[in-house]
Amino acid sequence: NAGVTQTPKFRILKIGQSMTLQCTQDMNHNYMYWYRQDPGMGLKLIYYSVGAGITDKGEVPNGYNVSRSTTEDFPLRLELAAPSQTSVYFCASREGGVVNTEAFFGQGTRLTVV
Amino acid sequence: AQKVTQAQTEISVVEKEDVTLDCVYETRDTTYYLFWYKQPPSGELVFLIRRNSFDEQNEISGRYSWNFQKSTSSFNFTITASQVVDSAVYFCALSERYYGGATNKLIFGTGTLLAVQP
Repeated sequence: NAGVTQTPKFRILKIGQSMTLQCTQDMNHNYMYWYRQDPGMGLKLIYYSVGAGITDKGEVPNGYNVSRSTTEDFPLRLELAAPSQTSVYFCASREGGVVNTEAFFGQGTRLTVV
Repeated sequence: AQKVTQAQTEISVVEKEDVTLDCVYETRDTTYYLFWYKQPPSGELVFLIRRNSFDEQNEISGRYSWNFQKSTSSFNFTITASQVVDSAVYFCALSERYYGGATNKLIFGTGTLLAVQP
């Protein structure tokens, strides 16, 4: 089972460039999340989605956009990359309708903006 | 507002010592769920346990145990007879249902770095 797959694993961006971090899950989970983890810090919620076509902001949404056109995919778009967006990005999913299920995480994308 | 506080930034112990990691949460809902995750040096996030707000029984799994106390809004994690392989960052997380809706945010604390010395 693939679980949650993130691509790419590593990326270096120049200031002002844009990119999309891909996330796909094969568990038919309704809920999906994007987090960022700065060095030595905890996980901060960027955006989340409770189903296809529904997204909402988390704690740190500025500088990012998301879309959820299918249950499987939840891409995160960075427009005009800034050094402050250097971080490790994690995508997660969990089953919908049963709140106490745990979240399954991807392996992370390490992004450096120079 | 939904919030998770892990006041211990770093803890260092010697192997075989017991160690407790603290987690304090804030929520406005009566139905909520708490989780612990482990992040070893390799970076992945490993699920350890979940607990719902209606179940205050403590849980033990091998050397791991969890103490949930609604009266103090705490969900602490104890490792007994720690081992070097326990060295990791440990995160506590909270999911609330927000007045019966389905917002299902999953918010993490800042984590506690546990270093177990041989």
